[in-house]
Amino acid sequence: DQQVKQNSPSLSVQEGRISILNCDYTNSMFDYFLWYKKYPAEGPTFLISISSIKDKNEDGRFTVFLNKSAKHLSLHIVPSQPGDSAVYFCAASDRNQFYFGTGTSLTVIP
Amino acid sequence: DADVTQTPRNRITKTGKRIMLECSQTKGHDRMYWYRQDPGLGLRLIYYSFDVKDINKGEISDGYSVSRQAQAKFSLSLESAIPNQTALYFCATSDHRAAQYFGPGTRLTVT
Repeated sequence: DQQVKQNSPSLSVQEGRISILNCDYTNSMFDYFLWYKKYPAEGPTFLISISSIKDKNEDGRFTVFLNKSAKHLSLHIVPSQPGDSAVYFCAASDRNQFYFGTGTSLTVIP
Repeated sequence: DADVTQTPRNRITKTGKRIMLECSQTKGHDRMYWYRQDPGLGLRLIYYSFDVKDINKGEISDGYSVSRQAQAKFSLSLESAIPNQTALYFCATSDHRAAQYFGPGTRLTVT
């Protein structure tokens, strides 16, 4: 069973608007969450993370929100830029392993 | 120079052949990981190692083995490749529970 789920395979957003990518998880033992960005023919690159003791973490245009009661996290990108077009993976960690979602392909339209 | 390198970048092999994928890192991290990516399934963990003497199975280790030759080197072997092992393979490193750094990937095709 997939412990981390990204239910939207793709998302299109106009340049300058907000992009919201969502992720759900099932394991309450997860206590560290991350977002990665992946361009074609490259490995994923780390974007932003959040510990379960927080409900928000911000880094420039990127903000991650964590709702532990709903087992849900989201990534907000404001404003969206064409260079943000990529596949975004969320990941969750227990003490040993990282579990990844299936990815959401974001297209930012100029 | 890249922090995490993988060789080869592309490989086509036949069913039943033994193949090794290699990973090297210059980050100085203790933790190393092997993942595979399949369309629609995201990244799935094959094996991970927290130091040279520590090897652990991930969620899909069947059909694979690994060797941690040094802190900087972690290789993945397919003893007898089969077509459903056709995938994109990624090596990653991390420092304790911090974010992972990924290599560029190896595209493996088993015919």
